[in-house]
Amino acid sequence: SQTIHQWPATLVQPVGSPLSLECTVEGTSNPNLYWYRQAAGRGLQLLFYSVGIGQISSEVPQNLSASRPQDRQFILSSKKLLLSDSGFYLCAWSVEIPTPEQYFGPGTRLTVT
Amino acid sequence: GDSVTQMEGPVTLSEEAFLTINCTYTATGYPSLFWYVQYPGEGLQLLLKATKADDKGSNKGFEATYRKETTSFHLEKGSVQVSDSAVYFCALSSDSNYQLIWGAGTKLIIKP
Repeated sequence: SQTIHQWPATLVQPVGSPLSLECTVEGTSNPNLYWYRQAAGRGLQLLFYSVGIGQISSEVPQNLSASRPQDRQFILSSKKLLLSDSGFYLCAWSVEIPTPEQYFGPGTRLTVT
Repeated sequence: GDSVTQMEGPVTLSEEAFLTINCTYTATGYPSLFWYVQYPGEGLQLLLKATKADDKGSNKGFEATYRKETTSFHLEKGSVQVSDSAVYFCALSSDSNYQLIWGAGTKLIIKP
């Protein structure tokens, strides 16, 4: 069966510090991968998605970036965090066939102080 | 473009009450429809899905029917429990199948 891991689970970082969040998927090959952000009490904002190694699409302009160095690894990064980067970050995976539902990891709670 | 509209929350009910959370959509083509649930502090879990008109998705006592004529996918449960308290998201697949289009989420609070 497929599983998705995210770490760390929680993170407190000062403004201006770098960020690296990691997501890995097991039990499937060539998945589509996604990074979402969820502000407190709000809905989902798609940040990045990837349909293959080295292929990253950005949905919103921001100081975040994403990379996919391996088939089942997806990394979210920032060189300098802003207060507005605080939130709950969710990684997800999907395959298009037979149906395109997404499966989510447990999330990372990021607080920028 | 494609969109999903959910009823605003929070929705507050007593235990054993009947639940309906409304979801309507606008889409070209023939999207698949989904309901997800998010418990506090956790990621989203797929609750149920329907891939074509008149399909009924069901899971854990929840049901939703894909109504193309009314472009709706309302979530229902006959008797809610305190443990059903969560945020519920409706979503549809985009034409590309790479992305899901999300509703804003509806917070459900069940009181004992």
